Amino acid sequence: GQNIDQPTEMTATEGAIVQINCTYQTSGFNGLFWYQQHAGEAPTFLSYNVLDGLEEKGRFSSFLSRSKGYSYLLLKELQMKDSASYLCAVRVHASGGSYIPTFGRGTSLIVHP
Amino acid sequence: ETGVTQSPTHLIKTRGQQVTLRCSSQSGHNTVSWYQQALGQGPQFIFQYYREEENGRGNFPPRFSGLQFPNYSSELNVNALELDDSALYLCASSPPRGQEDTEAFFGQGTRLTVV
Repeated sequence: GQNIDQPTEMTATEGAIVQINCTYQTSGFNGLFWYQQHAGEAPTFLSYNVLDGLEEKGRFSSFLSRSKGYSYLLLKELQMKDSASYLCAVRVHASGGSYIPTFGRGTSLIVHP
Repeated sequence: ETGVTQSPTHLIKTRGQQVTLRCSSQSGHNTVSWYQQALGQGPQFIFQYYREEENGRGNFPPRFSGLQFPNYSSELNVNALELDDSALYLCASSPPRGQEDTEAFFGQGTRLTVV
């Protein structure tokens, strides 16, 4: 089976930087995704890593170490609208040729003034 | 906004009833996955459909079943509803094989309440 672990809740100040960690244990790894989900809404895509290293996209960056089963999402210049749940999802290559994303429980980020 | 549409957006059912949820996939996407998301939890994988066949299944009982149609739209059926089935049901469409570096797009979800 798959095991994905991320902190339940984090708080940060507007304008600051926050790092949300995700560790995973899985077989058939085929990429790691980060999604943002505001309350009552669908998850929206933030980033994708399949090779080791850092992927930067504006204020958001995501890092992956496959050997350590570890990823983080870095959010810079935090804004109040960044208050949301951040979901780490690992995609695995399953039997039958399917690719199945498995999600962690999500990290609820609260940004305060 | 993504091109994935789910209906209905909200639904209230009584325990023991049956429900059908619908999803139309993003243009060009031929794989559809269904997820159940309880309050405060991450989405839990129910099953995936590819070319009208089930192509992977999570830890859900057989009363959760689905269909995919030739236009790649999909249905999730749940029989004998239980109170614990109350959740947000998300549909995600994914691109064809060979384009796995692109993300899955989620619909806005169907909020199911079982009373």
